[in-house]
Amino acid sequence: GESVGLHLPTLSVQEGDNSIINCAYSNSASDYFIWYKQESGKGPQFIIDIRSNMDKRQGQRVTVLLNKTVKHLSLQIAATQPGDSAVYFCAETNTDKLIFGTGTRLQVFP
Amino acid sequence: NAGVMQNPRHLVRRRGQEARLRCSPMKGHSHVYWYRQLPEEGLKFMVYLQKENIIDESGMPKERFSAEFPKEGPSILRIQQVVRGDSAAYFCASSPQQQNTEAFFGQGTRLTVV
Repeated sequence: GESVGLHLPTLSVQEGDNSIINCAYSNSASDYFIWYKQESGKGPQFIIDIRSNMDKRQGQRVTVLLNKTVKHLSLQIAATQPGDSAVYFCAETNTDKLIFGTGTRLQVFP
Repeated sequence: NAGVMQNPRHLVRRRGQEARLRCSPMKGHSHVYWYRQLPEEGLKFMVYLQKENIIDESGMPKERFSAEFPKEGPSILRIQQVVRGDSAAYFCASSPQQQNTEAFFGQGTRLTVV
């Protein structure tokens, strides 16, 4: 069955603070992970990805950390902005399809 | 380079009717994936297709649902004899190769069965 889950369904942060969104996965054979952002009424938008041979990858204001020992993935957003408000999904794959988690809603308040 | 195009964006069908959802992948992409999303839930894999071939349909119900990706034209997800439980957002994604690279999503088709 589906193997990706998230610890926090809703995360509220103040504008300017850093956000951390967590994700647990259960398939140790997964070798590629992606974080997607989904705004209301829109399709998922790629944020950042990481392969299993890495434990950290940085983008613009975002960092993804992968801990294969405990099968944990996190997305860090620096200096969170109102435009970051959305639902964030992690997804994993090792074959032909992405398996998505339930999602975490990020709410940014002033 | 246009992104993944899905149409219609919104589709209303009465119970028992047929729903046809279309997806045009990004230019140069030959791999198409369909996902279904219920409100406040994640995306559930339905089917993975390459041109003229169904590669993995393990997430698609055995009855009433079918998908195709012809040599020419968009990919079609077809739902026959729709029921209220089919109401959901259906997303299509495409990638240039097998899905261990970034997949780009369309804006989805929101199906409402009344």
